[in-house]
Amino acid sequence: QKEVEQDPGPLSVPEGAIVSLNCTYSNSAFQYFMWYRQYSRKGPELLMYTYSSGNKEDGRFTAQVDKSSKYISLFIRDSQPSDSATYLCAMSAISNTGKLIFGQGTTLQVKP
Amino acid sequence: ETGVTQTPRHLVMGMTNKKSLKCEQHLGHNAMYWYKQSAKKPLELMFVYSLEERVENNSVPSRFSPECPNSSHLFLHLHTLQPEDSALYLCASSQEGNQPQHFGDGTRLSIL
Repeated sequence: QKEVEQDPGPLSVPEGAIVSLNCTYSNSAFQYFMWYRQYSRKGPELLMYTYSSGNKEDGRFTAQVDKSSKYISLFIRDSQPSDSATYLCAMSAISNTGKLIFGQGTTLQVKP
Repeated sequence: ETGVTQTPRHLVMGMTNKKSLKCEQHLGHNAMYWYKQSAKKPLELMFVYSLEERVENNSVPSRFSPECPNSSHLFLHLHTLQPEDSALYLCASSQEGNQPQHFGDGTRLSIL
């Protein structure tokens, strides 16, 4: 079983839709949770960074962590064509090396 | 220059060649990372340097040799690579520990 599971998609939605992206994980030691966005031919760009459980909001983006279910989500409100990208979840346990475990990434297409 | 810069952006090499990838960060971070990104697979952590010491070597073949001469620069020396080593190689940096990592745009490596 992979440590982090993420549906690769692709996920196609109309402009203005609410998008829900999800990851599940198996390691209960994970405490730090991140979402990255990766455009074609570019490196991953950090979108959200959360510690432990709870919600975090930044503009149109909301990250949720449910440690009891080992489930994290990223919601995108009022999705735009410019949101079309691959979204990667990543997580780590408390350590001094910052070792991140990534999901496979979900490809999102927002159609005008 | 800002952020994390990687050179070259593209590299084609034969299996017997020796080449090096370069990464430079302008964020004042003290930890640097090499990742491998292959199609349809999660990012794989290769090496971690914290305070210029290698603290993680994720079972990477010896044909990959990292070097971190100072906290701003990271190299990946390549020799006698195999076709399956063709991938996008990403460099990242962060403050040490579990701080968010910031990525460069990668070097697209093709082995003939």
